[in-house]
Amino acid sequence: SQQGEEDPQALSIQEGENATMNCSYKTSINNLQWYRQNSGRGLVHLILIRSNEREKHSGRLRVTLDTSKKSSSLLITASRAADTASYFCATDEDTGGFKTIFGAGTRLFVKA
Amino acid sequence: EAQVTQNPRYLITVTGKKLTVTCSQNMNHEYMSWYRQDPGLGLRQIYYSMNVEVTDKGDVPEGYKVSRKEKRNFPLILESPSPNQTSLYFCASSFYVEGGELFFGEGSRLTVL
Repeated sequence: SQQGEEDPQALSIQEGENATMNCSYKTSINNLQWYRQNSGRGLVHLILIRSNEREKHSGRLRVTLDTSKKSSSLLITASRAADTASYFCATDEDTGGFKTIFGAGTRLFVKA
Repeated sequence: EAQVTQNPRYLITVTGKKLTVTCSQNMNHEYMSWYRQDPGLGLRQIYYSMNVEVTDKGDVPEGYKVSRKEKRNFPLILESPSPNQTSLYFCASSFYVEGGELFFGEGSRLTVL
């Protein structure tokens, strides 16, 4: 099953602009995380937001979580060419054992 | 350096020839997991382990086996690989068994002919 679904699938912006990616999920969660993946490489953790939090910041990243709508957004401000990557949301759900389920990702391309 | 190490990084094999992809972490993490990544499908969980000798199926376990005899190692075994198992495989580990930051290996690209 695919829990998180990112929107848009792909995003192309100019350097200096802000990039917003959205994630929707279906079930109750403990946490929601965002990860970044450079082409074909391993994923790198960006930020985790717990189910009782509504907003979190880390450097140029801002994450919001709306559990009533089962959605989250990732905002990257003042984007740089080096931000070009795929971004994935992942939800931690309690199924008796804990599973982290990833969405299909948003491909971000930042033009210099 | 804290890391998750997978081997091999690249492998081409033929249908039916058993293979093992190794995964080792040096962070004393309780939780380990295997994912496969296919275009347009994101990462799908194959198996996970919450501790030594404790493993459970993810969303796509068919055709795979795992074992967790030691805390640091979590090998993925393909007893009889088939072409639909051609994929990019990632091992990940986490300190927290209840969810939290995952540390990923660099991936193993497997092609089954």
